[in-house]
Amino acid sequence: DSGVTQTPKHLITATGQRVTLRCSPRSGDLSVYWYQQSLDQGLQFLIQYYNGEERAKGNILERFSAQQFPDLHSELNLSSLELGDSALYFCATGGQGAQSEQFFGPGTRLTVL
Amino acid sequence: AQKITQTQPGMFVQEKEAVTLDCTYDTSDPSYGLFWYKQPSSGEMIFLIYQGSYDQQNATEGRYSLNFQKARKSANLVISASQLGDSAMYFCAMREGGRDDKIIFGKGTRLHILP
Repeated sequence: DSGVTQTPKHLITATGQRVTLRCSPRSGDLSVYWYQQSLDQGLQFLIQYYNGEERAKGNILERFSAQQFPDLHSELNLSSLELGDSALYFCATGGQGAQSEQFFGPGTRLTVL
Repeated sequence: AQKITQTQPGMFVQEKEAVTLDCTYDTSDPSYGLFWYKQPSSGEMIFLIYQGSYDQQNATEGRYSLNFQKARKSANLVISASQLGDSAMYFCAMREGGRDDKIIFGKGTRLHILP
């Protein structure tokens, strides 16, 4: 158990809909990173938050947004869903900087029908 | 250019044998971290081992060791005495310094342990 929690574990929805994925970091971790794992793109970084502020953006679509709340949990919002958004979405937390480890939550498997 | 290269898409190994999973990386940042993660069929991403670029010794964690060859930019994972439960996807990953310290993943190696 990494100490990072994600809900829900599975999500099935239809095209055009909007969903919210939730992540709670390990105790003491201020950063949350979101990653998407799809069959064709592999594992890709989406966005990072640090202590409530957006810190870095990766290959995140404009239809996607995220935020980190004062209690440090984070939500990833996906809207106007398309079939290609079906993927495993991970959040990860850990220390800052290259010399720190990063621990992943169990992931949310999103299926768009 | 790919920053993390895993050249073995799949491997089959007999149970109890040692396994080496290859990984090469590319960075000009002197401060970086290298990681290996295991992803079983259930989907979770399990942290296995970490090596910092300034670490003098190779990292070890139980049956896992990281063969770090800095000059060759190589970070191979060695699993000793493989077990059936080691069958999974294995990802090599790197984290560079700076404000944007996200993890960059390789494409993975699918390891099959044969009884």
